[in-house]
Amino acid sequence: AQKITQTQPGMFVQEKEAVTLDCTYDTSDPSYGLFWYKQPSSGEMIFLIYQGSYDQQNATEGRYSLNFQKARKSANLVISASQLGDSAMYFCAMREFYGGSQGNLIFGKGTKLSVKP
Amino acid sequence: DAGVTQSPTHLIKTRGQQVTLRCSPKSGHDTVSWYQQALGQGPQFIFQYYEEEERQRGNFPDRFSGHQFPNYSSELNVNALLLGDSALYLCASSRFGGQGNEKLFFGSGTQLSVL
Repeated sequence: AQKITQTQPGMFVQEKEAVTLDCTYDTSDPSYGLFWYKQPSSGEMIFLIYQGSYDQQNATEGRYSLNFQKARKSANLVISASQLGDSAMYFCAMREFYGGSQGNLIFGKGTKLSVKP
Repeated sequence: DAGVTQSPTHLIKTRGQQVTLRCSPKSGHDTVSWYQQALGQGPQFIFQYYEEEERQRGNFPDRFSGHQFPNYSSELNVNALLLGDSALYLCASSRFGGQGNEKLFFGSGTQLSVL
């Protein structure tokens, strides 16, 4: 069963507007972490934001915020004031904490964001 | 402070050949993970090395093997290459035993093409 689902293969947003990238996840582990990474055409995965399953507040990092709805198992990324440099692939990922140890990251298929001038 | 470095950046091989990819982790990191990213897909976990031992492994055949050196750098070896092994191979480093929010730092990857 797919553990991370990103239903938007591609998204367009006008420069300076906000955009939401969707991510739903599936796990039976009560302890887990959710990550968003950006992958520009260079190939490097760039960390954007993290949300822990027990965090009470939604995570924010500059123009990035994570809309975490635990009951719905969703962790949507919100990018405010889009810039041309935000055009890239965006991946949602989950880490399950097996018995206290750190698990590997499980990635979704990604969403390609294109910012229009 | 150098980040994660991978070499080579591009590689072309033919079916049946063997390939070795290399990775140097970010300074201060002791754990290296390898991921395979096929075209149009998200990265898939291959394995993780810490203290020169394979600690975790994803669903990849034994043709995929690795090594970690005392300086924490790592190699990924793939034997008997198949066309389906064509992908971007990403190396990621982190600190072992960190908090659950320990983020992975990725290199720019090695693009492997198998003809």
